[in-house]
Amino acid sequence: GAVVSQHPSWVICKSGTSVKIECRSLDFQATTMFWYRQFPKQSLMLMATSNEGSKATYEQGVEKDKFLINHASLTLSTLTVTSAHPEDSSFYICSAIGGASYEQYFGPGTRLTVT
Amino acid sequence: QKEVEQNSGPLSVPEGAIASLNCTYSDRGSQSFFWYRQYSGKSPELIMSIYSNGDKEDGRFTAQLNKASQYVSLLIRDSQPSDSATYLCAVNKNYGQNFVFGPGTRLSVLP
Repeated sequence: GAVVSQHPSWVICKSGTSVKIECRSLDFQATTMFWYRQFPKQSLMLMATSNEGSKATYEQGVEKDKFLINHASLTLSTLTVTSAHPEDSSFYICSAIGGASYEQYFGPGTRLTVT
Repeated sequence: QKEVEQNSGPLSVPEGAIASLNCTYSDRGSQSFFWYRQYSGKSPELIMSIYSNGDKEDGRFTAQLNKASQYVSLLIRDSQPSDSATYLCAVNKNYGQNFVFGPGTRLSVLP
């Protein structure tokens, strides 16, 4: 299957700082990438959908000024959590699709802890 | 009614048995259907995709789709303790732009 990487795999930051998470499709071109957040023992929550070269589409309730998404190329999308607060601590996962099968391939996730 | 529904479980089966996981969806226009496995603390991993009515087999896994009943299932034959995980059903409604995940069913395979 297709491979998606994420970096960093975990990060600890102080309240008020910003954190950038990178998502890369390693062996295919990702026309669409998704960003999810998952709290412990809860379901995946879609945050936004991004298509290469266009602005991301955010789900209702997700602050686009707080969660900045850039899909600059067919292999790279970034999520920046700005002015992070402890309630932003979560497991952030990206996924990508790149073909007509519409199969989503997930990155390994980034565990963010805001102190 | 939620868009994609699954029994939360836990579903417990003995090792070697068949595990049957079910999923229903509300939008008749849904086009593509996927099963993912998620181990605790890890990200989801694609197991199978299915696009047309009927069965699709891959190793110990069989996905079944019935669009008339708006129902997707996943059968796991010869269940192993390593199959213990949460299984997520996902439905695509708009050519890769609109996915909805179910809440997941937690499967426990008892040795």
